Amino acid sequence: DQQVKQNSPSLSVQEGRISILNCDYTNSMFDYFLWYKKYPAEGPTFLISISSIKDKNEDGRFTVFLNKSAKHLSLHIVPSQPGDSAVYFCAASAPDNYGQNFVFGPGTRLSVLP
Amino acid sequence: GAGVSQSPSNKVTEKGKDVELRCDPISGHTALYWYRQSLGQGLEFLIYFQGNSAPDKSGLPSDRFSAERTGGSVSTLTIQRTQQEDSAVYLCASSLVPGLGQPQHFGDGTRLSIL
Repeated sequence: DQQVKQNSPSLSVQEGRISILNCDYTNSMFDYFLWYKKYPAEGPTFLISISSIKDKNEDGRFTVFLNKSAKHLSLHIVPSQPGDSAVYFCAASAPDNYGQNFVFGPGTRLSVLP
Repeated sequence: GAGVSQSPSNKVTEKGKDVELRCDPISGHTALYWYRQSLGQGLEFLIYFQGNSAPDKSGLPSDRFSAERTGGSVSTLTIQRTQQEDSAVYLCASSLVPGLGQPQHFGDGTRLSIL
């Protein structure tokens, strides 16, 4: 049972345009959501996060939107650049008895075409 | 270095052998996580350490897998009697403290290939 879903395995976007990566979740206890970017042969790197008490967080070209009622979040990259080509993972965390338990989605491979 | 360090970066071994993977987290990070990523798949949670104790071992696939952490720092993941399905990239991550959405910082992983 996947608690965090990224239904698009891949996405291609033209350089300069907007990239929109989507993520859906099922656990209403999730209180933080994070996006990670992963290049081949490297570990994921943290991009941006959002608390469940907010609906938007922006950092430079990256904006994350959260729709709690729909249990949906999205990452917008504007403008997209060829260096943004990578696999993007959505992750969610919920407090448990011991700390924070992170659950990752399966990832979306973004290709930004020059 | 300032980041999470994993060794070896690549490991090729024969089926049935034991392997030990090492993770050196960022200094001062109390939380440490192990994940694995099989080809074409997402990140699969294995185990989480808070200090030296592992409150969540729920992701370990079988009793052939074990992990320990000593001194609140270095962690080793051991796989005994390796099988071909153990082939994957094993990723380690650390965070300053668990909770409040603290992002995890990942190492570059160990690519394990079982022949």
